[in-house]
Amino acid sequence: DGGITQSPKYLFRKEGQNVTLSCEQNLNHDAMYWYRQDPGQGLRLIYYSQIVNDFQKGDIAEGYSVSREKKESFPLTVTSAQKNPTAFYLCASSFRQEQFFGPGTRLTVL
Amino acid sequence: AQKVTQAQTEISVVEKEDVTLDCVYETRDTTYYLFWYKQPPSGELVFLIRRNSFDEQNEISGRYSWNFQKSTSSFNFTITASQVVDSAVYFCALSEALSRSNYQLIWGAGTKLIIKP
Repeated sequence: DGGITQSPKYLFRKEGQNVTLSCEQNLNHDAMYWYRQDPGQGLRLIYYSQIVNDFQKGDIAEGYSVSREKKESFPLTVTSAQKNPTAFYLCASSFRQEQFFGPGTRLTVL
Repeated sequence: AQKVTQAQTEISVVEKEDVTLDCVYETRDTTYYLFWYKQPPSGELVFLIRRNSFDEQNEISGRYSWNFQKSTSSFNFTITASQVVDSAVYFCALSEALSRSNYQLIWGAGTKLIIKP
């Protein structure tokens, strides 16, 4: 089946550690996105990539990094510089204006 | 600046009642897209509808209907004869062009809908 997978579903991290969230899609979409969602809030854009080997900062990129070495993959690293990383992270890819979402990763910093 | 406002933080109704979720947007673009997504407790976002700014026809899909009014910058969503399975958080979103062919979505804060049996 075509879709977007994110792993792991739940992730726990000690303060001061970097952690990488996986996002893979087999929809053959060029554009991919990372969003952060806090309780009771909408989604905020962290990074996006319109094509392989290219990515741009979104509204809240500080403390995060990404790579786009393959069309199918867009991993997000939450670095120790991110002051408040506990949140729900959603990855998406898009075809024209419609965005398709993965199931999300819930990150908790202990 | 682009903005989406969902003024209703939480709505609670009894099953079989009709319920309308409000969405008001602000944009400087002449061409744009509006969306509704559903987020059940599992967390995954489910696409419901996309509406082009040039198409102001209302749309109905089963128990769901959408009322797009450009004059008031609103894109409201109505569920008729609500069911417990409709309980979720519903997000309204507005497209913002990042380039000629790519967009980001500007999201409202969401409305939590609770349908009581």
